[in-house]
Amino acid sequence: AQKVTQAQTEISVVEKEDVTLDCVYETRDTTYYLFWYKQPPSGELVFLIRRNSFDEQNEISGRYSWNFQKSTSSFNFTITASQVVDSAVYFCALFMDTGRRALTFGSGTRLQVQP
Amino acid sequence: EAQVTQNPRYLITVTGKKLTVTCSQNMNHEYMSWYRQDPGLGLRQIYYSMNVEVTDKGDVPEGYKVSRKEKRNFPLILESPSPNQTSLYFCASSRGFIEKETQYFGPGTRLLVL
Repeated sequence: AQKVTQAQTEISVVEKEDVTLDCVYETRDTTYYLFWYKQPPSGELVFLIRRNSFDEQNEISGRYSWNFQKSTSSFNFTITASQVVDSAVYFCALFMDTGRRALTFGSGTRLQVQP
Repeated sequence: EAQVTQNPRYLITVTGKKLTVTCSQNMNHEYMSWYRQDPGLGLRQIYYSMNVEVTDKGDVPEGYKVSRKEKRNFPLILESPSPNQTSLYFCASSRGFIEKETQYFGPGTRLLVL
């Protein structure tokens, strides 16, 4: 069975600090996809990134970067120079290449960026 | 604009009163799905649909029904709502199976069952 663990329930930082959100996953499959979604206070889910299991290259998009390490089954998300607008709940999710095509979500990490 | 829409966005109802939450997508996606979000549990899949007239249970289907008569619509039906179905509900869609595309989510529906 697959599982996603986000051990950090809540993180609070001051603006301009860097912050890393941890994500650890479990799966027996060799083909899978990992996602990060952002849920701002307004409630919608915003897609941030998708990574497949064969691509371990780290990715950077502006202030966001992702570190995928298969050896430790982790897919961590770093926000550099955080801003108040980054305050949200962030979900890591695992997608299996099976018939059901369901995303398995972690429980989420609430990030509060203080001005 | 490509989007997934849900209605209503907020709903307060009473135990046992049947309700339907609609979901519609304008991207011609084959795959659609319903999730519920509860504190500390993340999102869990309720039902999904691979295509028109093809639906199946997810992780937490009890108390829910769905139908997929048209490609664009995937309503979630609560025949006899109970307080434990108070939750935030999301509809999602993505392209066909082979593409394994990213799932795009609707804005969410907050349901309170008294």
